[in-house]
Amino acid sequence: SQTIHQWPATLVQPVGSPLSLECTVEGTSNPNLYWYRQAAGRGLQLLFYSVGIGQISSEVPQNLSASRPQDRQFILSSKKLLLSDSGFYLCASDRGLNTGELFFGEGSRLTVL
Amino acid sequence: GIQVEQSPPDLILQEGANSTLRCNFSDSVNNLQWFHQNPWGQLINLFYIPSGTKQNGRLSATTVATERYSLLYISSSQTTDSGVYFCAVERYGRGSTLGRLYFGRGTQLTVWP
Repeated sequence: SQTIHQWPATLVQPVGSPLSLECTVEGTSNPNLYWYRQAAGRGLQLLFYSVGIGQISSEVPQNLSASRPQDRQFILSSKKLLLSDSGFYLCASDRGLNTGELFFGEGSRLTVL
Repeated sequence: GIQVEQSPPDLILQEGANSTLRCNFSDSVNNLQWFHQNPWGQLINLFYIPSGTKQNGRLSATTVATERYSLLYISSSQTTDSGVYFCAVERYGRGSTLGRLYFGRGTQLTVWP
């Protein structure tokens, strides 16, 4: 079965510091990968998606970037964090069959102070 | 994008009670998923149900795609059912992102012993 790992689980960073959140997927090949953010108030917003190694698409302009160095690795980064980057970040993957059904990792909670 | 509305926003139940959560969406969709967000924030897949009815233990879901709604039924609720329940939909088409889910704002369920 498919497993999605994210780390770190919790992160507290000062404004202006860099960020790296990592996501790895097990149990599937050639998945489409996604980064979602959940801000206060429960809504989830799609930030980035990737259909293959080195292929990144951004849904919204922002202070963050994403990279996919390997088939089952997806990284969310920032060079300088803003207060507004605080939130709960969720990595998601499909089954690698382009079915659209998504599975989520455990999430990474980021607090920018 | 597609508008997804969930009701009720909050629900408080006594253990053993039954409940129905509703998800309305503004346009035709190709996929629909129900998730349970546990206290640690992880989104757990409940149902992948673009149409029809499915059952899994005490939970069942029905999607009537032609009328643009889905229902999640929880029977004999338990304290472990507490958390936020999300409905998310996807629509294929030109310009659409595969796997791009539009989320409702969720139903916060609290089950008391």
